[in-house]
Amino acid sequence: NAGVTQTPKFQVLKTGQSMTLQCAQDMNHNSMYWYRQDPGMGLRLIYYSASEGTTDKGEVPNGYNVSRLNKREFSLRLESAAPSQTSVYFCASSSSGSYNEQFFGPGTRLTVL
Amino acid sequence: RKEVEQDPGPFNVPEGATVAFNCTYSNSASQSFFWYRQDCRKEPKLLMSVYSSGNEDGRFTAQLNRASQYISLLIRDSKLSDSATYLCVGSGSGGYQKVTFGIGTKLQVIP
Repeated sequence: NAGVTQTPKFQVLKTGQSMTLQCAQDMNHNSMYWYRQDPGMGLRLIYYSASEGTTDKGEVPNGYNVSRLNKREFSLRLESAAPSQTSVYFCASSSSGSYNEQFFGPGTRLTVL
Repeated sequence: RKEVEQDPGPFNVPEGATVAFNCTYSNSASQSFFWYRQDCRKEPKLLMSVYSSGNEDGRFTAQLNRASQYISLLIRDSKLSDSATYLCVGSGSGGYQKVTFGIGTKLQVIP
């Protein structure tokens, strides 16, 4: 049981480049989330997927897109990276919604130059 | 105003001390509350859920005060291994799927 896995662990991009962060969970969870964590700001929700086939915006969705590929996988795409998107990105999953514990992946440390 | 507010600390306490953190929330309709622990450069992990009746797990006690809209975490007999950042989490507004994380309170237990 790997839990929640994320790739890559580290990434450096130049302004304007694009990339996709991958996330997968093997706990048969319905809900999945993407957060970013910045010093002094805490974890902020970018997008979430309540169940397979649905996605919704969180607190800071601008500059990002997501795809819930299937029940296991939830990807986050940066179409044109900006220095303001330098952050640590965490994917999380829960069995169903906000009433349940969220399990986090190890994070992706992204630097945009 | 942030939906969930915490004192970022740091709280520096000696080994064996008792330390308490409070966290206030602004959404009176919030239903679920949690405390997560996050070690440096690691992912958050659930420490405990917070129930209306309170919740105790070994040296850790969590309380919910709905009248004053805050939750608390009490750590007794602090260990060096308790050094971490403690995140307060509440279910947010705008849909039951969303949760709001506080910025975290940093605890440093010193020998």
